[in-house]
Amino acid sequence: AQSVTQLDSHVSVSEGTPVLLRCNYSSSYSPSLFWYVQHPNKGLQLLLKYTSAATLVKGINGFEAEFKKSETSFHLTKPSAHMSDAAEYFCVVSDITGGFKTIFGAGTRLFVKA
Amino acid sequence: DAGVTQSPTHLIKTRGQQVTLRCSPKSGHDTVSWYQQALGQGPQFIFQYYEEEERQRGNFPDRFSGHQFPNYSSELNVNALLLGDSALYLCASSLSANNSPLHFGNGTRLTVT
Repeated sequence: AQSVTQLDSHVSVSEGTPVLLRCNYSSSYSPSLFWYVQHPNKGLQLLLKYTSAATLVKGINGFEAEFKKSETSFHLTKPSAHMSDAAEYFCVVSDITGGFKTIFGAGTRLFVKA
Repeated sequence: DAGVTQSPTHLIKTRGQQVTLRCSPKSGHDTVSWYQQALGQGPQFIFQYYEEEERQRGNFPDRFSGHQFPNYSSELNVNALLLGDSALYLCASSLSANNSPLHFGNGTRLTVT
């Protein structure tokens, strides 16, 4: 069965420093992986997706993620945090064994300090 | 090009009542999925509709039902409301192609008292 684990419930960084949000997944087949961001009282917005093309995926707002099959990881990074990046981030997995149901991680709250 | 729209934005109901939430998908999308997001948690998959039929279902009781109309819009119905049904209900639309990214509406905040 597919599952996704976000290793940190909260991450705090200073503005201008790098961001790392960690995600491990479990999937029987080649999964599709996504990162979504949710700002307070808003719906979710797609940041980036991996669907078996290049393992380094670039998304919006300077975010990128690297698919590492050997480590079953899909960590989200950004070289320099901005105050507007403060939000909840969700790692998401989808594969054929789940009928392409989209399974969300529990989320990581990113705090950005001035 | 309108994105996903949901109505109402907020709703307060009493235990035992029934509620209907509505969703219009992004233009060009034919698949609608519904999620329940409790406070401080990630969205939980309820079900997905395609071609007016339920295609996939998560671990939710039969009190949760839905419908998709010929114009691809969708409704989520919840009967016999419980306090624990209080949550943000998110609708997401996508293309029928597998692994098409989800486009979310801003959700309906349901409070059950």
